[in-house]
Amino acid sequence: GQQLNQSPQSMFIQEGEDVSMNCTSSSIFNTWLWYKQDPGEGPVLLIALYKAGELTSNGRLTAQFGITRKDSFLNISASIPSDVGIYFCAGFLNFGNEKLTFGTGTRLTIIP
Amino acid sequence: EAEVAQSPRYKITEKSQAVAFWCDPISGHATLYWYRQILGQGPELLVQFQDESVVDDSQLPKDRFSAERLKGVDSTLKIQPAELGDSAMYLCASSPTGTQYEQYFGPGTRLTVT
Repeated sequence: GQQLNQSPQSMFIQEGEDVSMNCTSSSIFNTWLWYKQDPGEGPVLLIALYKAGELTSNGRLTAQFGITRKDSFLNISASIPSDVGIYFCAGFLNFGNEKLTFGTGTRLTIIP
Repeated sequence: EAEVAQSPRYKITEKSQAVAFWCDPISGHATLYWYRQILGQGPELLVQFQDESVVDDSQLPKDRFSAERLKGVDSTLKIQPAELGDSAMYLCASSPTGTQYEQYFGPGTRLTVT
């Protein structure tokens, strides 16, 4: 099936640093979603993107829908300890194909 | 803030036993999803309901898995018999009427089959 490749797979940063991660596909997606998942919990929706080129913020988080519609980016500014977790991108391939495809995840760890 | 409820949170069962999970979506959400998440991977859709009707169950192993949403509100996912490979997190999600583009997940049920 379709795959969304996320990079990096894992990140080790210090508190206060900015974070950038991305999600790429060989296919065009018409909607991109970014989720954060804490251990033992369900994913929490962070940001939804609906149009190519769209840039949307949610507090310290900013996400962009790539112009080619084959990628998306998530940035976190001034990281804090509660940012630790796994970040998943997800998307819908086509209008009418309503199955949400998830990426492989980026694990964020903050080094004390 | 409204949330998707799931129970139990954890379940340990022996292989060949039956197991059931329950989900109560956010009030008013017509669309309900069951996902399976294997450790280290993203969730994968098992079944999608629109009200009480199944919209997509193409990835549901129907020889052992069943799902129902009889009154179009809460839902039950059943596995019988459970196999070792079924050990995973089972997640329920719901989305508002009119859009499937924003799915809200419950806390999940962690299943361990021994």
